[in-house]
Amino acid sequence: AQTVTQSQPEMSVQEAETVTLSCTYDTSENNYYLFWYKQPPSRQMILVIRQEAYKQQNATENRFSVNFQKAAKSFSLKISDSQLGDTAMYFCAFMSTGANSKLTFGKGITLSVRP
Amino acid sequence: DSGVTQTPKHLITATGQRVTLRCSPRSGDLSVYWYQQSLDQGLQFLIQYYNGEERAKGNILERFSAQQFPDLHSELNLSSLELGDSALYFCASSVQGDNYEQYFGPGTRLTVT
Repeated sequence: AQTVTQSQPEMSVQEAETVTLSCTYDTSENNYYLFWYKQPPSRQMILVIRQEAYKQQNATENRFSVNFQKAAKSFSLKISDSQLGDTAMYFCAFMSTGANSKLTFGKGITLSVRP
Repeated sequence: DSGVTQTPKHLITATGQRVTLRCSPRSGDLSVYWYQQSLDQGLQFLIQYYNGEERAKGNILERFSAQQFPDLHSELNLSSLELGDSALYFCASSVQGDNYEQYFGPGTRLTVT
């Protein structure tokens, strides 16, 4: 079974600065997908970014980018130019490429952006 | 707005009761997933349907059941409710059954008193 670990429960960053959220996972599979989801105070789950394990290039979406280290089973999210609207819980998630495409989530990290 | 709708937004009910949560996937999405978010267990996968058929089961209690209808909307039925069933229940949908991004609805907040 796959596991996803987010060991930092909380982080804080100054507006306009850069912050990195850590995630590690454990799997015996070679092909899989990794995601970061954002959950603001509204509780809506919003897809931030996706990474396919077979791609060496790290995914980027505007101010959001990942550092995917397959051998280390590490998948961190970097948020550049942090904005107040980035304040939220962030969840790292794993998905197999098999028939069962459920998401396995980490416990999440609460990010606070200070003005 | 993800395009996934869930009703109701909030539900308050008593122990022992039965409730039904409804989900309409994004237009064109064939797959529906149900997740439970609680303080104790975090976000957990419950069950997946693809084009009307059950595709995968997670940590879903026997008191819970789900189905997906021909118009692709899905319902999650929770019965003999216990205090511990209080949680946020999310529905998510994706284009195909496997390996596509899942887009989440706004969730149904269930409170069992």
